[in-house]
Amino acid sequence: AQTVTQSQPEMSVQEAETVTLSCTYDTSENNYYLFWYKQPPSRQMILVIRQEAYKQQNATENRFSVNFQKAAKSFSLKISDSQLGDTAMYFCAFMSSRWDDYKLSFGAGTTVTVRA
Amino acid sequence: NAGVMQNPRHLVRRRGQEARLRCSPMKGHSHVYWYRQLPEEGLKFMVYLQKENIIDESGMPKERFSAEFPKEGPSILRIQQVVRGDSAAYFCASSEGGMNTEAFFGQGTRLTVV
Repeated sequence: AQTVTQSQPEMSVQEAETVTLSCTYDTSENNYYLFWYKQPPSRQMILVIRQEAYKQQNATENRFSVNFQKAAKSFSLKISDSQLGDTAMYFCAFMSSRWDDYKLSFGAGTTVTVRA
Repeated sequence: NAGVMQNPRHLVRRRGQEARLRCSPMKGHSHVYWYRQLPEEGLKFMVYLQKENIIDESGMPKERFSAEFPKEGPSILRIQQVVRGDSAAYFCASSEGGMNTEAFFGQGTRLTVV
């Protein structure tokens, strides 16, 4: 099973500032998918951004961007211009590209608090 | 197009009772996944089903837990003879299938065993 590690249990950021969440993973596969999910207090899991390992270009979605370092097996999430609504738990996740293995492996999560 | 619907949102069971958690996937989705989230932890994969088939149950405890996704109706995660350690949030996700499709999550069922 793939291991996903998020080493920061909690992060705090001032509104409008930038925060970066770290994620590392362990796999022997060459092709795979990486995701960041947001879980606000409502508990709903919301996909923030995804990255295909075969793409060298880092994915971006509005204020969210990733720094994907394949050789280092690192996949960090940057939240720019933080807003109060960004307060949530953030999970990094891995999915194999094998045809018979579609499950997501999640990290333990990072709680992000945006301060007014 | 309604999202993934899980019910109930909250479920309280006494030790030894049975818990049934339901998941209706998004319209057009034939792949369903169940995950369990313990307090302060990430989601752990339990089982992956397609209509009438269990594809991968490598994350399911060997005893007391079962899952089904019948031809008609919602997917059911069943926990028999619940114990306090079963208390957790249980999430269902669905997708169209295939490697490039996104999995959409329901809001989860919080099971409390008293």
